[in-house]
Amino acid sequence: KAGVTQTPRYLIKTRGQQVTLSCSPISGHRSVSWYQQTPGQGLQFLFEYFSETQRNKGNFPGRFSGRQFSNSRSEMNVSTLELGDSALYLCASSQAGGSADTQYFGPGTRLTVL
Amino acid sequence: AQSVSQHNHHVILSEAASLELGCNYSYGGTVNLFWYVQYPGQHLQLLLKYFSGDPLVKGIKGFEAEFIKSKFSFNLRKPSVQWSDTAEYFCAVRGSTLGRLYFGRGTQLTVWP
Repeated sequence: KAGVTQTPRYLIKTRGQQVTLSCSPISGHRSVSWYQQTPGQGLQFLFEYFSETQRNKGNFPGRFSGRQFSNSRSEMNVSTLELGDSALYLCASSQAGGSADTQYFGPGTRLTVL
Repeated sequence: AQSVSQHNHHVILSEAASLELGCNYSYGGTVNLFWYVQYPGQHLQLLLKYFSGDPLVKGIKGFEAEFIKSKFSFNLRKPSVQWSDTAEYFCAVRGSTLGRLYFGRGTQLTVWP
């Protein structure tokens, strides 16, 4: 099976712009989670989607949003970008998102905000 | 809220040395525990996981971890490290009723040949 794929791999934006990142889960996986990874804060949970519904949400401002499509592909959007949004954004998929599920991670999208 | 502590930020070892990376978590209920590894330039990969049963779990590449419930710990071990084990290691916890993972801050392991 193909792994989790994320596009684009690299992005450079300027403050105030918005950005959309895409994630394609492993075939058959219905849960997609998003994480932000920075050197200072480590891996922080953004949100999780299951069957097109947001099921969990982390402590991020409303500028961070996401959605999931019927084929389980997911997108996350960040509006009004700030310098502090520069990070590696990771997507992870699992079969059903239950506590016993294993999450498989994609390579990430490296976002740089100038 | 759950939290995960990894005691060592950076560990430096010579090849063939033994490794133990500490991980403690705070959560009162049943937990599922994971160790992930991130090799330079690569994505996070699962090393091993504990859901239930034998508290000593074995993972890939000779790694193992022991779940000690009374100590809220899930330490990662390897008897003899190799240069190729140089990577960042993350401990993660998920409570039995939640879908999200809580990650520790990571431990950078550098192995000198």
